[in-house]
Amino acid sequence: DIQMTQSPSTLSASVGDRVTITCRASQSISSWLAWYQQKPGRAPQLLIYKASSLESGVPSRFSASGSGTEFTLTISSLQPDDFATYYCQQYSSYWTFGQGTKVEIK
Amino acid sequence: EVQLVESGGGLIQPGGSLRLSCAASGFTFSTYSMNWVRQAPGKGLEWVSYISSSGTTIYYAESVKGRFTISRDNAKNSLYLQMNSLRAEDTAVYYCAEYNTSSAFRYWGRGTLVTVSS
Repeated sequence: DIQMTQSPSTLSASVGDRVTITCRASQSISSWLAWYQQKPGRAPQLLIYKASSLESGVPSRFSASGSGTEFTLTISSLQPDDFATYYCQQYSSYWTFGQGTKVEIK
Repeated sequence: EVQLVESGGGLIQPGGSLRLSCAASGFTFSTYSMNWVRQAPGKGLEWVSYISSSGTTIYYAESVKGRFTISRDNAKNSLYLQMNSLRAEDTAVYYCAEYNTSSAFRYWGRGTLVTVSS
């Protein structure tokens, strides 16, 4: 099974900060990686697919990169609406989520 | 507008059974693979089961294999999850999600809560 490890688990930041979340796969997944945002009591929302493709309607301050085993999600200027939990997910072999990164207000 | 609406959750005793449903609308359900994903209270996301568009290919997470059964009725635009031999650790919000290879899990329902407790 492919394991996904996100870091950090929690991130404290301020509005306007540049934020980066890392996701590592236990083996190569090529570019079969997605990122989701989840707010309390809500379903996850797709942000990024195929490692770096921005989902329609997602603000351009979100970007992502990586391939193989190392991936990053970057928020260029954190907005109040961005405080949430972020999950990476591999879909190369079955489906596995990272443990999540909670972005909280500093 | 794509809509996925789960139902069937509730409080059930350990060892009991429950059937979840997911009603789809706003897209051609019969052409999309579907998944169930769950989230225990305060925990992360866990993939549970996959079914292909025709229903011929099915996968399960090890944690539910042999206890859960996924199925679909394309004529009714519906996805199902039959859950047997339920355990306390199955307590979670269960989401249905549309899947395609290009964009992973693009559409999600709001989820239905399953609580396994005596």
